[in-house]
Amino acid sequence: NAGVMQNPRHLVRRRGQEARLRCSPMKGHSHVYWYRQLPEEGLKFMVYLQKENIIDESGMPKERFSAEFPKEGPSILRIQQVVRGDSAAYFCASSPLESTDTQYFGPGTRLTVL
Amino acid sequence: AQKVTQAQTEISVVEKEDVTLDCVYETRDTTYYLFWYKQPPSGELVFLIRRNSFDEQNEISGRYSWNFQKSTSSFNFTITASQVVDSAVYFCALSDLPGYALNFGKGTSLLVTP
Repeated sequence: NAGVMQNPRHLVRRRGQEARLRCSPMKGHSHVYWYRQLPEEGLKFMVYLQKENIIDESGMPKERFSAEFPKEGPSILRIQQVVRGDSAAYFCASSPLESTDTQYFGPGTRLTVL
Repeated sequence: AQKVTQAQTEISVVEKEDVTLDCVYETRDTTYYLFWYKQPPSGELVFLIRRNSFDEQNEISGRYSWNFQKSTSSFNFTITASQVVDSAVYFCALSDLPGYALNFGKGTSLLVTP
């Protein structure tokens, strides 16, 4: 059973460009979470999604950040007009429908903004 | 509000020593969930254990053991006979609703030297 897949693993963008981070949950998992790990900080929750629904986006910055989890395909975290402060590791986690209290994490995407 | 404190920023031990990683949490909820994750140098996050607030039984898994004490709001993690492969950052996390946001501590970096 493949784990949570994230791509790309490393992403470099210049200031002002858009970053798109993809996450494919584990097979059979219908809940997806995004977390951000800034340098010298722990992991911070960003958003929790189910298929076609945003359940909790209390950790998402109000501007430039958006997330979706369509009926088909991976979950996407989009960052528009990136700034240097967006440089971080972005982790996706998934959990199964019938046991939603354990989140399994992907390998992360390291975003570097030049 | 929830808070997870991992007071030990870095710990260094020699192989075969036992080491305990501390985790103290704050929550107003009577039902909550505690987790430990491991982040090895390769960067991925590995789930280690989940504990519900109504289950205070300690757990042992091989060289790993966890001591959950509600009276002191602590969920400490002990590695017995540490090995070099245990070198990683270890995160303690708390959630008050199954399947919702994890609130992470800042992590403890463990270095095990030969």
